[in-house]
Amino acid sequence: DQQVKQNSPSLSVQEGRISILNCDYTNSMFDYFLWYKKYPAEGPTFLISISSIKDKNEDGRFTVFLNKSAKHLSLHIVPSQPGDSAVYFCAASDRGSSNTGKLIFGQGTTLQVKP
Amino acid sequence: NAGVTQTPKFRVLKTGQSMTLLCAQDMNHEYMYWYRQDPGMGLRLIHYSVGEGTTAKGEVPDGYNVSRLKKQNFLLGLESAAPSQTSVYFCASIPGAQRGTQYFGPGTRLLVL
Repeated sequence: DQQVKQNSPSLSVQEGRISILNCDYTNSMFDYFLWYKKYPAEGPTFLISISSIKDKNEDGRFTVFLNKSAKHLSLHIVPSQPGDSAVYFCAASDRGSSNTGKLIFGQGTTLQVKP
Repeated sequence: NAGVTQTPKFRVLKTGQSMTLLCAQDMNHEYMYWYRQDPGMGLRLIHYSVGEGTTAKGEVPDGYNVSRLKKQNFLLGLESAAPSQTSVYFCASIPGAQRGTQYFGPGTRLLVL
């Protein structure tokens, strides 16, 4: 059973507009969430994270929002740039994984930003 | 610092053949992980290690074995490759007991015919 779900396999936006990538989770024990970005033929790289004690975390053009009651998080990219075109993975961990560092990943969403 | 490196980058195997994928990190990280990435499935954990000489099963361990004889290396073995093991394999590491960012290698693309 998929504990972290990214229900949109792909998203296409125009350069300069906002990109919103969504992620849902089912495990109420998850309390730390991350977004990774992956370019073709490369490994995923960390983008931004959020702890469950917050509902928003911002880093430049990237903002992650967490809605704990809905078990939903989203990544906003404003403004979107062609270089943002990549696969974005949502990941989660729970308190019990602090001694293993394990993450649970979603299926990924492919973002295409058109010039 | 090379970070996390993976060898080979690409390999074609015939069903039943065996091979070993090598992951090496030069960051003195304690914990290391092997994932596979398949279309529509995201990254799934195969095996992981929380220190030299220790390994543990992840979400999809069947058909794979691992070894962590040296702290900097984490080997993933396929004893008898099957077409279902066609995938892209990623290795990752973190400094130690923590929650958060994992550092990934560039991946190994494996095709099993």
